Amino acid sequence: DVKVTQSSRYLVKRTGEKVFLECVQDMDHENMFWYRQDPGLGLRLIYFSYDVKMKEKGDIPEGYSVSREKKERFSLILESASTNQTSMYLCASDSPKVFGETQYFGPGTRLLVL
Amino acid sequence: AQSVTQLGSHVSVSEGALVLLRCNYSSSVPPYLFWYVQYPNQGLQLLLKYTSAATLVKGINGFEAEFKKSETSFHLTKPSAHMSDAAEYFCAVRGNNDMRFGAGTRLTVKP
Repeated sequence: DVKVTQSSRYLVKRTGEKVFLECVQDMDHENMFWYRQDPGLGLRLIYFSYDVKMKEKGDIPEGYSVSREKKERFSLILESASTNQTSMYLCASDSPKVFGETQYFGPGTRLLVL
Repeated sequence: AQSVTQLGSHVSVSEGALVLLRCNYSSSVPPYLFWYVQYPNQGLQLLLKYTSAATLVKGINGFEAEFKKSETSFHLTKPSAHMSDAAEYFCAVRGNNDMRFGAGTRLTVKP
């Protein structure tokens, strides 16, 4: 079974802190994604990566950065956390080699910024 | 660009009743369409997917969806709701490099 794990299920941070969210997948997938999920807005793509050290901005990259130093690991960084970044963050992975492939999701990290 | 629209942010049914969750898509190419389910405080789990084979797709937990090109729809159904079906459901369409999600429909099942 594909497994996508996220470093924390719940996080509480203060405004201005630097926050690291980590995601690891064990299926050798090339693509990895970070989404944020807010009520009524569905999932919005923050960043994705299609290879090590490669990244592409999604729909809402402002206030975020990412790092992919190893194929299995994709980190989301909030450089200076703000209260409007309180949200559920979901990591996903997939492979471009499989046509019509689904994405595989981690359990999510619920972040509260005070 | 591909997109999906889910009609109805909340749907409430009685246990044993038909479940119908609506999704319409927009795509300039034949779409790959997906339904995911999310239980509280969990990630998304694939229910079923359409990849241009059969138009009626069967998924897990008794759910199915029918692809109708003429209506640009991919509605999710289940003949008889169970309490354990209470969750949030997302329709999605595969883009070039990513997945485009609808806003979600929260399903409540009343005893």
